[in-house]
Amino acid sequence: GAVVSQHPSRVICKSGTSVKIECRSLDFQATTMFWYRQFPKKSLMLMATSNEGSKATYEQGVEKDKFLINHASLTLSTLTVTSAHPEDSSFYICSARDPRNVLTFGAGSRLTVL
Amino acid sequence: QKEVEQDPGPLSVPEGAIVSLNCTYSNSAFQYFMWYRQYSRKGPELLMYTYSSGNKEDGRFTAQVDKSSKYISLFIRDSQPSDSATYLCAMSGGYSSASKIIFGSGTRLSIRP
Repeated sequence: GAVVSQHPSRVICKSGTSVKIECRSLDFQATTMFWYRQFPKKSLMLMATSNEGSKATYEQGVEKDKFLINHASLTLSTLTVTSAHPEDSSFYICSARDPRNVLTFGAGSRLTVL
Repeated sequence: QKEVEQDPGPLSVPEGAIVSLNCTYSNSAFQYFMWYRQYSRKGPELLMYTYSSGNKEDGRFTAQVDKSSKYISLFIRDSQPSDSATYLCAMSGGYSSASKIIFGSGTRLSIRP
């Protein structure tokens, strides 16, 4: 079945530093990947759509310069949280549309900014 | 009005009960319907997906789609404590990558031993 790998699963960083999260489709190619943010006991909030070979599309209210997305290949998208602050602490989840046309999710990355 | 409405719960039922989870939607263009299960601090995992109307069964899980009523359901038979999780419905209008997948807010389900 379709597998999406996300790394790291947990990261703790100091305020002001940048953190990169990787999302890989392991057994299929994904021209489009999606990045979500989830607060405790809340639903998924779509942040941006990552497009291979072109700029990401950000949802309203999401800072492009804060959350840098790069989709350099058909199997890899990265989310970089720049100059992280405690309010950026959250659970970030990536997903990709697999050959069945359904979203397959990564296991998520928990970011804690001290 | 939200495109997809889902009761957030929490829903608590005894072990062995039949669970019914539901979503309503407003966009008649939706054709692909999915149910995801999410355990705490994990990414959602796909449980069921269906295209257009009808029923689909997989083990203890049955997904139903009624496009005329814009209503989808997930039934869980012989519920187990391991089924305790948040269940999210999702739907999409088309096959292309340009078609957004819209999620419900999720229903928190607890199965009491």
